[in-house]
Amino acid sequence: GAVVSQHPSWVICKSGTSVKIECRSLDFQATTMFWYRQFPKQSLMLMATSNEGSKATYEQGVEKDKFLINHASLTLSTLTVTSAHPEDSSFYICSARLREAYEQYFGPGTRLTVT
Amino acid sequence: AQSVAQPEDQVNVAEGNPLTVKCTYSVSGNPYLFWYVQYPNRGLQFLLKYITGDNLVKGSYGFEAEFNKSQTSFHLKKPSALVSDSALYFCAVRISGGSYIPTFGRGTSLIVHP
Repeated sequence: GAVVSQHPSWVICKSGTSVKIECRSLDFQATTMFWYRQFPKQSLMLMATSNEGSKATYEQGVEKDKFLINHASLTLSTLTVTSAHPEDSSFYICSARLREAYEQYFGPGTRLTVT
Repeated sequence: AQSVAQPEDQVNVAEGNPLTVKCTYSVSGNPYLFWYVQYPNRGLQFLLKYITGDNLVKGSYGFEAEFNKSQTSFHLKKPSALVSDSALYFCAVRISGGSYIPTFGRGTSLIVHP
């Protein structure tokens, strides 16, 4: 149980285009979903936290207009990278939290490369 | 406030030997502590957690961790390492009753040599 999926697993896009990444909790309803960014050989950087039906809470330094997060249902959150630039290239990971659980459940990640 | 430190970027161990991955934490209250493992190009997998109770916590794949309140540590251990244990390990902490958003350590790369 507690499986989180992400789609796509990898994507290559051109500068200036937008990319949408989906995060789904497959067998549970997620109270909260988190979006992280991870650079090579570095820890996770929390980008934002989202609760179903509410606006996402962004961490300091994360551009809201560039990284659009939508949490439309208890099983789906999306991250849209708008007007992508090469410096947005990274590994993006989502996670989800059940109301009654202490730990988070992570998706497999999405490798974004902007050319 | 909450923070977590993983003092070692990399730990090397021979297969069959015991392994320890260190983690120390700082919280203004009672901690909830977690260990996650990340294999290359994958998301994180939950290994184990300490919430309350017995200081020795057992988790997945034969891993265990010991909560030491006086030393504010939560080291991850395994009696006999496998080559397949080679991965990136993250310790995380959050405050009991506080924000549900944990703080992650920077990660420790475990390399198990055949």
